[in-house]
Amino acid sequence: KAGVTQTPRYLIKTRGQQVTLSCSPISGHRSVSWYQQTPGQGLQFLFEYFSETQRNKGNFPGRFSGRQFSNSRSEMNVSTLELGDSALYLCASSLDSRGHSEGGEAFFGQGTRLTVV
Amino acid sequence: AQTVTQSQPEMSVQEAETVTLSCTYDTSENNYYLFWYKQPPSRQMILVIRQEAYKQQNATENRFSVNFQKAAKSFSLKISDSQLGDTAMYFCALGLVEYGNKLVFGAGTILRVKS
Repeated sequence: KAGVTQTPRYLIKTRGQQVTLSCSPISGHRSVSWYQQTPGQGLQFLFEYFSETQRNKGNFPGRFSGRQFSNSRSEMNVSTLELGDSALYLCASSLDSRGHSEGGEAFFGQGTRLTVV
Repeated sequence: AQTVTQSQPEMSVQEAETVTLSCTYDTSENNYYLFWYKQPPSRQMILVIRQEAYKQQNATENRFSVNFQKAAKSFSLKISDSQLGDTAMYFCALGLVEYGNKLVFGAGTILRVKS
């Protein structure tokens, strides 16, 4: 069974540009969550999508947005990039919306390393 | 608000010995889960062990076990017979059922296993 796939693995963007990251969850999983990981702030929750609807949202500015498609694949977009957006962006796939119930653990992808220059 | 605190930024242990990583958390909710995730240099987050808050029995997974003290809001991870492959960053995480699959993470503890 294939794991969570995130593309691209590495990305370099210029301040002010926008970027789109992609996440393909494990087959059959319907929930996708996104996290930002930085040395200073650690791992912070961005948002969760389930059945194409945003279920939860973290405390990030509106420049951070996402969506989920009917096949459960998800994208996150960051507009008007700032230097502080440089981070590892992790996607997590879960079976459903039951919230960590047995068999509902989150499985993570290897992340996309975004560098803003 | 929910918080997770890991007070040990770094730890080291000799191969084959036992080490305990500490974690405390805070939440006013009653329905939650606790997790330990491992992040090796490859950056892949791997679930090590999970604990349901309503279960009093401590979870175990092979060499990994937890000491869950609900009243004290403490959730420590014990690694027995440490192996070189255990070298990684370890994150403690809290998940509230009410908030779907959202996880709140601690700052992490870097564990180095020495030969």
